[in-house]
Amino acid sequence: VIWMTQSPTLLSASPGDRVTISCRTTQGISNYLAWYQQRPGKAPELLVYAASTLQRGVPSRFSGSGSGTDFTLTISGLQSEDFVVYYCQQYYSFPYTFGQGTKLEIK
Amino acid sequence: QVRLRESGPGLVKPSETLSLTCAVSGGSMDRFYWTWVRQPPGKGLDYIGYVSHTGDANYNPSLRSRVTISVDTSKSQFSLRLSSVTAADTAIYYCAGGGYFDSRGNYGPGFCDFWGQGILVTVSP
Repeated sequence: VIWMTQSPTLLSASPGDRVTISCRTTQGISNYLAWYQQRPGKAPELLVYAASTLQRGVPSRFSGSGSGTDFTLTISGLQSEDFVVYYCQQYYSFPYTFGQGTKLEIK
Repeated sequence: QVRLRESGPGLVKPSETLSLTCAVSGGSMDRFYWTWVRQPPGKGLDYIGYVSHTGDANYNPSLRSRVTISVDTSKSQFSLRLSSVTAADTAIYYCAGGGYFDSRGNYGPGFCDFWGQGILVTVSP
């Protein structure tokens, strides 16, 4: 099983800030990594797949990068609606696994 | 746009079987893989397993002895059965779908493009 570690688990920032969320895997997964956003009481929504490809309709302030074992999700110019929870997921090896989540809160 | 909707009992007794169905609309089931993910209240996401439109399924080893995911393309739906449930199975259950081509041109389940709204299932006497 490939385990995922997201950091930080809680991130405080202000509207307009640029933030990065890290996701590290216990073994290399090439670029088979996705990022999701989850609003309270809602299902996750796909933001990024293949580590850096933005899902259609996702604002360009979101970007993903990385390969191998280290990945980042960057949000530039935080908007009020971005202060929710983010998850990474590897799909290189089954069982597919998720990170534990990062909650982005307003400072 | 593909839409998914979960249905089933919101309360299941311990040791019984949890059964959920996901109705698919707005697209052909042949194009994607169909997945179940769960989320215990206040916690993270847990990948249960997936099924193809042909019925080939794969399950998380942590649940493999208790889980069955099946598909009925004639009804545009797929289902989850989880046997011998305990309080630890209390969660929001999401159905989801997606598919992608890897670098070798193989098509697989991968990430989930679209999700149902989720259904809370509580395991309690």
